[in-house]
Amino acid sequence: LAKTTQPISMDSYEGQEVNITCSHNNIATNDYITWYQQFPSQGPRFIIQGYKTKVTNEVASLFIPADRKSSTLSLPRVSLSDTAVYYCLVGDPDSGGYNKLIFGAGTRLAVHP
Amino acid sequence: GAVVSQHPSRVICKSGTSVKIECRSLDFQATTMFWYRQFPKKSLMLMATSNEGSKATYEQGVEKDKFLINHASLTLSTLTVTSAHPEDSSFYICSASPLAGGRYEQYFGPGTRLTVT
Repeated sequence: LAKTTQPISMDSYEGQEVNITCSHNNIATNDYITWYQQFPSQGPRFIIQGYKTKVTNEVASLFIPADRKSSTLSLPRVSLSDTAVYYCLVGDPDSGGYNKLIFGAGTRLAVHP
Repeated sequence: GAVVSQHPSRVICKSGTSVKIECRSLDFQATTMFWYRQFPKKSLMLMATSNEGSKATYEQGVEKDKFLINHASLTLSTLTVTSAHPEDSSFYICSASPLAGGRYEQYFGPGTRLTVT
């Protein structure tokens, strides 16, 4: 499973766009990139997943360059409720049929008024 | 859809006793469930992979005789912490992978906070 590197923490203000970049230099051909959000004392929540280029859903966008060695989670116009830890994970969903997820340290995002 | 529940949400037990935590997929069937533990301000650490009808696969350093996992059906996995000690106090989270998965869309439970006194 490819290792990921993210900033430990980030600060932002309400209404701003936040971009969190994740490095995954050893990503394999079959690996997907997935982002999860976790609030204190809750289980992680799936945000977005992608393989290449750009993916957008109702809460975020995921930008993946051609070499796929990094990815950027973009949160438009954050609010105080977006304060959470964000985890980037990469792996092959078909690997052994287990879909095993190994969490890195994550990025602690603090949104200020 | 895709809801995973855990019971209990929090439990306090005395040192030396055993505690069982249930993880249920409420609206889908899960061939595979995973158990994690998380210490304060730390990331999730995968403990074991639980497959319906077979023995769990434990990660390195996790004692299988201490953390008993049973995956009796496609919607239920249980984690039993045997002879609990204060150092087992932690936040335990399960996740479930749908039968017709394919991608990494694992669904996580709300977690169980275990405090051993």
